[in-house]
This record gives sequence, C-alpha cells and structure tokens, in this order.
Amino acid sequence: QSALTQPASVSGSPGQSITLSCTGSSSDVGGYDYVSWYQQHPGKAPKLMIYEVTKRPSGVPARFSGSRSGNTASLTISGLQPEDEADYYCNSYTSSSSYVFGTGTKVTVL
Amino acid sequence: QVQLVQSGAEVKQPGASVKLSCKASGYTFTTYTLHWVRQAPGQRLEWVGWLNPGNGNTRYSQKFQGRVAVSRDTSANTAYMELTSLRSEDTAVYYCARATWAKDFDFWGQGTLVTVSS
Repeated sequence: QSALTQPASVSGSPGQSITLSCTGSSSDVGGYDYVSWYQQHPGKAPKLMIYEVTKRPSGVPARFSGSRSGNTASLTISGLQPEDEADYYCNSYTSSSSYVFGTGTKVTVL
Repeated sequence: QVQLVQSGAEVKQPGASVKLSCKASGYTFTTYTLHWVRQAPGQRLEWVGWLNPGNGNTRYSQKFQGRVAVSRDTSANTAYMELTSLRSEDTAVYYCARATWAKDFDFWGQGTLVTVSS
C-alpha cells in the first residue's frame, strides 16, 4: 500500500486560511468515509484533528475543517495561528482492511 | 482518563528481536482495537498493524508481514508488539494508538524509541 500523497509544505501568515490536500485512490480515500487528520508537533505524539472526513473531536478548534472531493481529502485551517505550526498527516482505512498514512505536510506560520 | 503507557527505549543489534508493551487504562481494554504506528527519524507516520484485544484477531501491513506479531494480556490490559530480524531501517519511534469504531486513532501512547545499531 503506497502512502497517500500530501504536499511537503504549506505556509501562511497569521489569520490567513490554508488548505492541505491528501490524494489517494478509490480503494482508500475515495472509497470510505474513514479519513482522519493528525497534527504532530516536534517530539510529540500525533493528535487527532478530524475524523470521518469532516468531523471534529471535542476540544479541537473550529478553525479546523475537513472535506473531500473524489479521491482527495482536504484539511482547511481558517485563521491560522502560530500554534498551528506543525506536521499534519492524513490517514485512511483501505479496501484490504488496513490503514495508510499520508506523506505528511509541514505547516509554517510566517 | 484514557491513557496508553508504553515501555522504555530499546537498543538492539541487527538481527535481534524487540518486544514492546502498551498498557491501557481508563477504558474497557477489550472494546477498542489497538494499533501500532512507527516513525523513523525525520520521516512520516507508518501503520504497522492492529489487534482486537477482545478476540485476539490481528492484521498487519504487508510490509511487515512475517516479521511482526501483536498480542495481548487482557488480565493486564496490555498489548505487545514484537518485531524480529531487526535492521537499521527499523530504527524509529513506535507508537500504540487506540482506534474508535470510526477507524480513527483518538488516543496515543508516548512512543518508544527503538534503535538498531551494531
């Protein structure tokens, strides 16, 4: 199972909106509603930010939102904050009853 | 509160095996699957496999098939991951994570660094 494809880096100024993409196939991202997103700060364990494509866990700020079009899922951060600077990974359940992570995107707040 | 506490760092020689533990607390151990995810230095997250603590069923990434085994001790609320025939490329932080019915990983352990070096 190949990794899902994410841009290596995305940057934005505080207050701006940015969108991270995650491209897979009909066997994973496009075939199941089990797409999730994780934020990881250096030296820390990942943190769940979005699950089931669009849902936010309790405690995650409303500026984080998820969507999907075909085989590409997206994470949008509206009103970028300095603390949002981190690595972000998407994950999807797959047709072989396994899971696959994305290649990861480094978000930089300018 | 839900907690996953992992065992300490390991240093192993190439060809050796390592067995890591992940102790769960704050929820019913047998009602959520437990997954293992690794991250090599500076690299992406990589899914290794999962365990259903309720019935012991497992499933592994094809990449690790034949070299990994995940098990559990329900009396101790603990899951284990054993990786054999270690090579330098297995140097990584290994995380355990709980998965919900929505197949997302809502709680993570603190990670265990495994270093493979001669």
